[in-house]
Amino acid sequence: KQEVTQIPAALSVPEGENLVLNCSFTDSAIYNLQWFRQDPGKGLTSLLLIQSSQREQTSGRLNASLDKSSGRSTLYIAASQPGDSATYLCAVSLRRTGNQFYFGTGTSLTVIP
Amino acid sequence: ETGVTQTPRHLVMGMTNKKSLKCEQHLGHNAMYWYKQSAKKPLELMFVYNFKEQTENNSVPSRFSPECPNSSHLFLHLHTLQPEDSALYLCASSAKGRGSGGQYQETQYFGPGTRLLVL
Repeated sequence: KQEVTQIPAALSVPEGENLVLNCSFTDSAIYNLQWFRQDPGKGLTSLLLIQSSQREQTSGRLNASLDKSSGRSTLYIAASQPGDSATYLCAVSLRRTGNQFYFGTGTSLTVIP
Repeated sequence: ETGVTQTPRHLVMGMTNKKSLKCEQHLGHNAMYWYKQSAKKPLELMFVYNFKEQTENNSVPSRFSPECPNSSHLFLHLHTLQPEDSALYLCASSAKGRGSGGQYQETQYFGPGTRLLVL
């Protein structure tokens, strides 16, 4: 069974700082990996999706990398802003199980003004 | 707005009640999902529907009963729930397609969720 771990569970940084969130998974036979953002009491918003054949994806101040062989992904946030405060979730989809994502427990990010 | 709506947003029910959660998507997607999110636990996939056919049922108790009348609507019927079923229930949709090497899915779009409290 795929296990997805996110470290740290919580992170607090001053505004303007660059930061990295980590995601690791136990089964490297993934089809894709997706990073989501969740605001308190709300649904998930997709940030970036990386196919297994790709090594990274970028969107604005966000950059996600994927290293399938080591079972790791990172989400890099540049020049953090208070509006970035949210929980960030990582999810992987396994080729053999079709359309099912396995989620981590998330990293709760607080950006202090 | 993600194009996926859920009603109600909040629900309080007793253990003997029967209620239904509704999800609707206007994205032209053909796969829909129910997830359960409990505090301090990863999102748990409950059910998957592809082209209105249920393709995944992750050992969900029978007190949860899904229904997908068409590719735009998904329901979760609830009856005789337990207090431990209190959670945020999220609906999602995606455009499902087939690529080389088997089935795959594209980005999932989530609704805002229904916060359920079982007393």
